[in-house]
Amino acid sequence: QLQLQESGPGLVKPSETLSLTCTVSGGSISSSSYYWGWIRQPPGKGLEWIGSIYYSGSTYYNPSLKSRVTISVDTSKNQFSLKLSSVTAADTAVYYCARRAGPYDYWGQGTLVTVSS
Amino acid sequence: EIVLTQSPDFQSVTPKEKVTITCRASQSIGSSLHWYQQKPDQSPKLLIKYASQSFSGVPSRFSGSGSGTDFTLTINSLEAEDAATYYCHQSSSLPDTFGQGTKLEIK
Repeated sequence: QLQLQESGPGLVKPSETLSLTCTVSGGSISSSSYYWGWIRQPPGKGLEWIGSIYYSGSTYYNPSLKSRVTISVDTSKNQFSLKLSSVTAADTAVYYCARRAGPYDYWGQGTLVTVSS
Repeated sequence: EIVLTQSPDFQSVTPKEKVTITCRASQSIGSSLHWYQQKPDQSPKLLIKYASQSFSGVPSRFSGSGSGTDFTLTINSLEAEDAATYYCHQSSSLPDTFGQGTKLEIK
């Protein structure tokens, strides 16, 4: 059974960079059939797509976040990562990683990241 | 960017009732529309993919229909465990977008 697990700091200071890693187990991140994505959800609000990456390193970002987002992949560790720079309180959210097979069919449990000094 | 608009935003229903949630896209997306269920403090779970295909392990009371710009999620014979927020999502063109969500309350 495929599993995804987010990890990273739960508290980030304003203007700093948020960094999260998603570890994939039970399957290979190098599968040619899937992209791997990051999605976030501010407290009490809906879902927002951040971006996606292919195992080859091809990336696609939400235009609203593109200037601040970097997604990378490490196939040797079966991981992909998110960096979001210059964070503000508006970036406080639960961050999910997920497998994109068209739909997002497998999701991590999510990790809450709070931006606060 | 394709905007997805769900209706209603909130619905209070009784067990065994039939529920219909709609999702309208701002432009045609073919059948690239997917439905998720999210319970409090849980990650979203895929219910229906490509408008009408049930995802593995999803109860048969959940079904989807539609194409182009108008889509429907139907829950037949609602159960108490179906209390959740439901989201649609389009993968027709980037950026991926989600509907605003429909919260289902069980009376």
